[in-house]
Amino acid sequence: EPEVTQTPSHQVTQMGQEVILRCVPISNHLYFYWYRQILGQKVEFLVSFYNNEISEKSEIFDDQFSVERPDGSNFTLKIRSTKLEDSAMYFCASSDWGGWSSEQYFGPGTRLTVT
Amino acid sequence: GNSVTQMEGPVTLSEEAFLTINCTYTATGYPSLFWYVQYPGEGLQLLLKATKADDKGSNKGFEATYRKETTSFHLEKGSVQVSDSAVYFCALSDPTSGTYKYIFGTGTRLKVLA
Repeated sequence: EPEVTQTPSHQVTQMGQEVILRCVPISNHLYFYWYRQILGQKVEFLVSFYNNEISEKSEIFDDQFSVERPDGSNFTLKIRSTKLEDSAMYFCASSDWGGWSSEQYFGPGTRLTVT
Repeated sequence: GNSVTQMEGPVTLSEEAFLTINCTYTATGYPSLFWYVQYPGEGLQLLLKATKADDKGSNKGFEATYRKETTSFHLEKGSVQVSDSAVYFCALSDPTSGTYKYIFGTGTRLKVLA
């Protein structure tokens, strides 16, 4: 069964460093998402991406964040200068269409720890 | 704004007990509703969904009915197993969002004892 994969599973970085989280969505999917979950809190939407551009972003997704689909398979989230409060589990998701009943398929997540 | 409220966990049950995890929502418009499950070390997996009022989603013995009058989507299972131990997330697809992003509840951890 097709699945979304994410690498690395755990990333430790120092405050101020840049990190890139990688995702490989399901191959025929067209809509891509990043969510995050700070420990003990809700899973929160960060950004959605379709047709090589951002479709929607949340207030969390400020200028320190960027997304890219550098080739036909990868979807990346970059944080330019990490802060302590960026420590969270980051989930990538994809769906084959963007309608109101579309199912999003999630990866296993990358745990980011900023020290 | 749109939101999802889930009952706090953890929920601890004995095997074969009846499970209810409450979920209520606030939404402008007509969202679709989802339950996702996260087993230890794994990603979020879709458990079931319902797309309109009175729809019942079901999968692996779990059920949830989309109740518009009470704005609820409670998850139920008649007889839980140890293998059901996981974190369960209720979510809605935001109908006011151009991309129908998901809004999640906080998740409810279920522990089933043998």
